[in-house]
Amino acid sequence: GNSVTQMEGPVTLSEEAFLTINCTYTATGYPSLFWYVQYPGEGLQLLLKATKADDKGSNKGFEATYRKETTSFHLEKGSVQVSDSAVYFCALRTGRGYNKLIFGAGTRLAVHP
Amino acid sequence: SAVISQKPSRDICQRGTSLTIQCQVDSQVTMMFWYRQQPGQSLTLIATANQGSEATYESGFVIDKFPISRPNLTFSTLTVSNMSPEDSSIYLCSVEGQGADGYTFGSGTRLTVV
Repeated sequence: GNSVTQMEGPVTLSEEAFLTINCTYTATGYPSLFWYVQYPGEGLQLLLKATKADDKGSNKGFEATYRKETTSFHLEKGSVQVSDSAVYFCALRTGRGYNKLIFGAGTRLAVHP
Repeated sequence: SAVISQKPSRDICQRGTSLTIQCQVDSQVTMMFWYRQQPGQSLTLIATANQGSEATYESGFVIDKFPISRPNLTFSTLTVSNMSPEDSSIYLCSVEGQGADGYTFGSGTRLTVV
């Protein structure tokens, strides 16, 4: 079946450090891939997306590249800020059936000054 | 992208009672999705609500426990029935974006059952 696997958190970094959150997926066909962010006490916001192999999604300094050969969509940021502290969810949509999203477990990021 | 208003934002309820959560979208959408996020967990899809037809429930969720209404293309409700402490979660509604856009989520309803 379709699934998303994320690295376990929490991830604790100092400000300006480099961030990588790993995400791999299992899916039939050619899914679209997403990263969502959930700030404390808030709902989910779309951070970035990629709809086909080798696409790179980017937003707010975050990037992720759709790698079909490794079935991965790792999230990266060159220099994190305290305001990036949140929970990050990787998700996929298969494009079949009801186009529902399948989420990974989420990775909590804590950035300290 | 669509703007979703979800209410209530939070509630504390007695066990055995029911709570209805409302989700209003500022544009017409074909499908609306209801998710549950248990404490410290990821999101799990409860059901998909299509206007004019019965909602489609995911494995482990049943209509008697989570009845859904979808009276028009901009509105849906989810009821959590006969609540127990295990129902304490955040409930979120979501709609699919236009074209290749991602999904938009409501701000969520934080439910505590005591």
